[in-house]
Amino acid sequence: DTEVTQTPKHLVMGMTNKKSLKCEQHMGHRAMYWYKQKAKKPPELMFVYSYEKLSINESVPSRFSPECPNSSLLNLHLHALQPEDSALYLCASSQDPRESRAERHNEQFFGPGTRLTVL
Amino acid sequence: QQPVQSPQAVILREGEDAVINCSSSKALYSVHWYRQKHGEAPVFLMILLKGGEQKGHEKISASFNEKKQQSSLYLTASQLSYSGTYFCGTVPLSGGSNYKLTFGKGTLLTVNP
Repeated sequence: DTEVTQTPKHLVMGMTNKKSLKCEQHMGHRAMYWYKQKAKKPPELMFVYSYEKLSINESVPSRFSPECPNSSLLNLHLHALQPEDSALYLCASSQDPRESRAERHNEQFFGPGTRLTVL
Repeated sequence: QQPVQSPQAVILREGEDAVINCSSSKALYSVHWYRQKHGEAPVFLMILLKGGEQKGHEKISASFNEKKQQSSLYLTASQLSYSGTYFCGTVPLSGGSNYKLTFGKGTLLTVNP
């Protein structure tokens, strides 16, 4: 199984709502990522989890709260978002670069994304 | 630091060739290439790990010139399915995280019949 799945596919929420994005992979990868992508722009890294621990937070506002309950799952909890947070949110996974077999490279497998609209 | 991709956009007829370049101001350990079709997720194409390395995948190949800190993606005898935005992602030789790919702004490739 070389697939990363994400739910929901589309999400519309108000600025006072609380919602969560979910991501799952069964490739045995121990590094998982959240990216934000605006139209016609490259993906921007938000968070990296390595072995279920938060490894990188790219100065993301606290209204985005990541969680990694186990090695296969990654969540992104959303609260009090702004309209400018509307974007495609991509999850990705890879071998952890610290693993000797990964040799510092990390081919990232992306999920299909969640298209988020904040009203 | 974000790598610079060129050209920004290219339009081809089916069967024509194209080259997409990715340049960095920092010494690089690796260059990754992805293709993203409209409304879909990026799809991994290949990683180049060593200076001078070349890799191929069917009619798509790439090179990595360590001295020039540049990688080029070669699309030969393009097919309609090659249409999409191509991103390069770079990992610096030092001073960066092995987890973090820095993506270029992308090159929009359109292949027409």
